[in-house]
Amino acid sequence: DSGVTQTPKHLITATGQRVTLRCSPRSGDLSVYWYQQSLDQGLQFLIQYYNGEERAKGNILERFSAQQFPDLHSELNLSSLELGDSALYFCASSVAGRDPWNGYTFGSGTRLTVV
Amino acid sequence: AQTVTQSQPEMSVQEAETVTLSCTYDTSENNYYLFWYKQPPSRQMILVIRQEAYKQQNATENRFSVNFQKAAKSFSLKISDSQLGDTAMYFCAFMKRYYGGSQGNLIFGKGTKLSVKP
Repeated sequence: DSGVTQTPKHLITATGQRVTLRCSPRSGDLSVYWYQQSLDQGLQFLIQYYNGEERAKGNILERFSAQQFPDLHSELNLSSLELGDSALYFCASSVAGRDPWNGYTFGSGTRLTVV
Repeated sequence: AQTVTQSQPEMSVQEAETVTLSCTYDTSENNYYLFWYKQPPSRQMILVIRQEAYKQQNATENRFSVNFQKAAKSFSLKISDSQLGDTAMYFCAFMKRYYGGSQGNLIFGKGTKLSVKP
């Protein structure tokens, strides 16, 4: 157990639907990162939050949004889902502001299948 | 923008032998970190080894070591005495280090699938 909890582990939904992925960071970590892993694109950075505020944005579609709550858990909302959104979505956390020597700690991911 | 390239999509090695995975990166930054992550069939992302760009000494973690060539922008991973449990996807990753030590996001290569054969 890495300490980063992602729910659900698996999700199957239809095109056009909306889903929410949840992430609880490791205790003490203020930063949360979301990544999308698909077969053809590898691991793509989506968005970073630090202590409730958006810190950096990557290749995140307008149909996707995220937020980090006061208790530091984060949610990634995916709407108007398309077949191409099928992927493994990772959340990672880190102690921002300190030496990033240890990099991130990753959760076990949410496998999203859009049918 | 930074990019990370892993030129070997797949590799295989016999158990107990040594294998080297290649990684090159492109950046204009001088202060950064490099990482190797392992992703076994369980899909969990596991940190294998990390290197700070300002340290010339190559990092070592048990059977895993790196060959960091900053001028050449090369960061290869050597796995000695390969074990069946080393079978996994291996990702090379780059992270810019900001002033004050705050963290940027990880930029990953596309990965190398390593199979360790008995």
